[in-house]
Amino acid sequence: GAGVSQSPRYKVAKRGQDVALRCDPISGHVSLFWYQQALGQGPEFLTYFQNEAQLDKSGLPSDRFFAERPEGSVSTLKIQRTQQEDSAVYLCASSLDPISYEQYFGPGTRLTVT
Amino acid sequence: DQQVKQNSPSLSVQEGRISILNCDYTNSMFDYFLWYKKYPAEGPTFLISISSIKDKNEDGRFTVFLNKSAKHLSLHIVPSQPGDSAVYFCAASATSTGANNLFFGTGTRLTVIP
Repeated sequence: GAGVSQSPRYKVAKRGQDVALRCDPISGHVSLFWYQQALGQGPEFLTYFQNEAQLDKSGLPSDRFFAERPEGSVSTLKIQRTQQEDSAVYLCASSLDPISYEQYFGPGTRLTVT
Repeated sequence: DQQVKQNSPSLSVQEGRISILNCDYTNSMFDYFLWYKKYPAEGPTFLISISSIKDKNEDGRFTVFLNKSAKHLSLHIVPSQPGDSAVYFCAASATSTGANNLFFGTGTRLTVIP
């Protein structure tokens, strides 16, 4: 069965460039999360969608970070004017519904800003 | 401020013996706890969870223990197998607040020696 997929798997951006990271959740999963994992750290919450509604964006580190899920399935995390501190693995996770606390993670996108 | 802490960055255990991974938390609102396992270049994979209304949950070789008064949980793997070698993340959620994002520890790298 198809799990959560993310693309690209690796992205190198020059400082100041904009990037877009894609997440395809498990089909039928209502909830979708984005996390940022810095080297040697655990994942840190960025934002949460329930269907197409972004219900929590409290973890987004700055207004350069923007996420959307317009049709309630695929989601895109966009980072504008990338900075070196944005270098991390960006993980997407989905869960079946809002009361399912087990989240299923994709393989992540490793972003390196040079 | 790290609300979920895994103070042992690494653990080595002989095959067939017990592995015990520990996790502490500071937020008394956390009421659901999960363990994830992560292999290199993959996303975290859900392993086992426990609600705060329980003090133990068992699934095959994996058992999670929760001590609410000490704000401590542990994952026991018996018997340990070489395929268990991975990074293990403890995660917590404050579901009673309506939030369902996860707070992660920094991980413990388990090495099971054949």
